[in-house]
Amino acid sequence: QQPVQSPQAVILREGEDAVINCSSSKALYSVHWYRQKHGEAPVFLMILLKGGEQKGHEKISASFNEKKQQSSLYLTASQLSYSGTYFCGTELGLSGGSNYKLTFGKGTLLTVNP
Amino acid sequence: NAGVTQTPKFRVLKTGQSMTLLCAQDMNHEYMYWYRQDPGMGLRLIHYSVGEGTTAKGEVPDGYNVSRLKKQNFLLGLESAAPSQTSVYFCASSTQGVWTEAFFGQGTRLTVV
Repeated sequence: QQPVQSPQAVILREGEDAVINCSSSKALYSVHWYRQKHGEAPVFLMILLKGGEQKGHEKISASFNEKKQQSSLYLTASQLSYSGTYFCGTELGLSGGSNYKLTFGKGTLLTVNP
Repeated sequence: NAGVTQTPKFRVLKTGQSMTLLCAQDMNHEYMYWYRQDPGMGLRLIHYSVGEGTTAKGEVPDGYNVSRLKKQNFLLGLESAAPSQTSVYFCASSTQGVWTEAFFGQGTRLTVV
């Protein structure tokens, strides 16, 4: 099952902030965040595991609410280079571990204008 | 270090033809994945593998078969291509353990006419 992302698209001016949300109807083991530029492959940004810890890009942060099976990606003081499509990927929890299926949402198109 | 390499990068097929897409990784990763990407649909998981000799179905497996005879290679086959399989296909791989990211290939653009 694909996780659900919102919003579908967002337009910012340079320096503005944005939040992208990702939710699942099932218990999650981890949440991944990737960014894809037009015509390129997705590139890893961040991973969050059960327990709320995060690891990844220092200028972009994220949170993981295990109880709600939701994650949010926070982009602060956006730069032109932040433009692209952001995908969240989820691994479902299975007996305390992962089911190894990395499933992605439909993506959020972020456009940062000067 | 090449990472994840997909072959071919572009292909046009006629309806009913068959073909195999090759994904090769040189990072000794255990897990490998095949996704298709269509406008507005995101990345949808076709099949995946958690190790050499193993495969499992993803979210949209119909019309595709896969094999992982060697740890470094993951093949995606289309036995009888249909226009609905026109898409960009991405392969990805990752290693075991926590804090592991997926590395993606550059994609294969397939058109079925």
